Amino acid sequence: KQEVTQIPAALSVPEGENLVLNCSFTDSAIYNLQWFRQDPGKGLTSLLLIQSSQREQTSGRLNASLDKSSGRSTLYIAASQPGDSATYLCAVVSGNTGKLIFGQGTTLQVKP
Amino acid sequence: EAGVAQSPRYKIIEKRQSVAFWCNPISGHATLYWYQQILGQGPKLLIQFQNNGVVDDSQLPKDRFSAERLKGVDSTLKIQPAKLEDSAVYLCASSLGFEGRPQHFGDGTRLSIL
Repeated sequence: KQEVTQIPAALSVPEGENLVLNCSFTDSAIYNLQWFRQDPGKGLTSLLLIQSSQREQTSGRLNASLDKSSGRSTLYIAASQPGDSATYLCAVVSGNTGKLIFGQGTTLQVKP
Repeated sequence: EAGVAQSPRYKIIEKRQSVAFWCNPISGHATLYWYQQILGQGPKLLIQFQNNGVVDDSQLPKDRFSAERLKGVDSTLKIQPAKLEDSAVYLCASSLGFEGRPQHFGDGTRLSIL
């Protein structure tokens, strides 16, 4: 059974700092991995999707890496801003139905 | 492109009452998902439709939850009767297909059971 874990559960950093969010999964047989952002009272916004054959994806100040063999992914945020404050969720697709299995999220606070 | 629409945004009911949620996916998206997100946790899939057929409902509590997707477009999720542990945000998502396609989420319905 696939399980996804995110560490830390919460993180507070000063504005401008570079930071890394971690995600681990127990079954390396995944189709893809997605990072989402969730603002309070809102749904999920997809940030990056990494296919199983890829090692990383980049979008602006965000870079996500995938290491299937070790069951890990990281989301790197460069030069953090207060607007980056949100909960970040990692999810994997490990079956052939597209079902996403989520971690519990990391709540990020960027202080001005 | 219009996003996934959900209604209502909030609902408060007493335990043992019934409630229904509605979802309108992005136009042309064949796959529709309902997720339950309990406070402090990641979303958990309840049911997945491909057009109007069910692909996965293994985690749907079928004694009280039901869902349908008539005509392969809009979908409704119903809870009857509601229990206290059903308090959660119910998220609807859609995608063009389920093979490597990103899922797009609505803002969810926040359900509180008194």
